Amino acid sequence: QQQVKQSPQSLIVQKGGISIINCAYENTAFDYFPWYQQFPGKGPALLIAIRPDVSEKKEGRFTISFNKSAKQFSLHIMDSQPGDSATYFCAASSQTGANNLFFGTGTRLTVIP
Amino acid sequence: NAGVMQNPRHLVRRRGQEARLRCSPMKGHSHVYWYRQLPEEGLKFMVYLQKENIIDESGMPKERFSAEFPKEGPSILRIQQVVRGDSAAYFCASSTGELYEQYFGPGTRLTVT
Repeated sequence: QQQVKQSPQSLIVQKGGISIINCAYENTAFDYFPWYQQFPGKGPALLIAIRPDVSEKKEGRFTISFNKSAKQFSLHIMDSQPGDSATYFCAASSQTGANNLFFGTGTRLTVIP
Repeated sequence: NAGVMQNPRHLVRRRGQEARLRCSPMKGHSHVYWYRQLPEEGLKFMVYLQKENIIDESGMPKERFSAEFPKEGPSILRIQQVVRGDSAAYFCASSTGELYEQYFGPGTRLTVT
C-alpha cells in the first residue's frame, strides 16, 4: 500500500515556466514532509521540507504548499531551468514512529530550453 | 566536510553469493537508515539503526537480509544467497536523531547475474 501518492509521473516544462508536483497522504500521524531531488546515478538530495504547522515554505525558487485538511502538499519550482531536470520525490515521516521516510513514486521533470 | 559515504558504488554478484554493503554516516550522525530503490520506483524503507542497536527492521525481508551498525566502523547491510530480484540501488541515509532531516549517500548499485 502506497502511503504517499505522487503525481504526475512525468512533467515537461518550458524554461522559465512553473513546475508543479503534487502529493497526497493518508496517515495523519505524519508530521514532516520533505522533497528530494535525484539526478541519474546519484543519491537523493534534500531540497526543502515542511512541517504541518505552516501552510507554505519558500526557499529560493522552490516553494512547498501544504494543505493539512486535504492531506495534500505540493512542490512549485518557479522560473524552471534545464538544470532542474531531475526526478523529484516527495516523502513523509512521523516523529512518533521510527522517523523512516515513506516516499512517493517520483516525478521525472524535464525542462526544455 | 564529508557527506554520507557508501561503498562499493557498484557491486556485481552471482546468484547464491553474499553481498555486503557499507555505509559511513555524516560526521556527528549516529542514526542510519537503509532504503532500497528498484528501477523507476521510489525508495522503500528497510531498516533503521543506531549504534549497536536495530530500532526498526519492519521493511527488511525476513530471510537473507541483515544489518548492523557496530560501535566502531560503518553500518553494514548484508544480503546472503542473492537472487536476481535483489538487483537494485541501495541507499543509506543518516541523521542526528534529534532533527527530522535525513541525508543520503550516493548508493550502491547491486547487480545479480
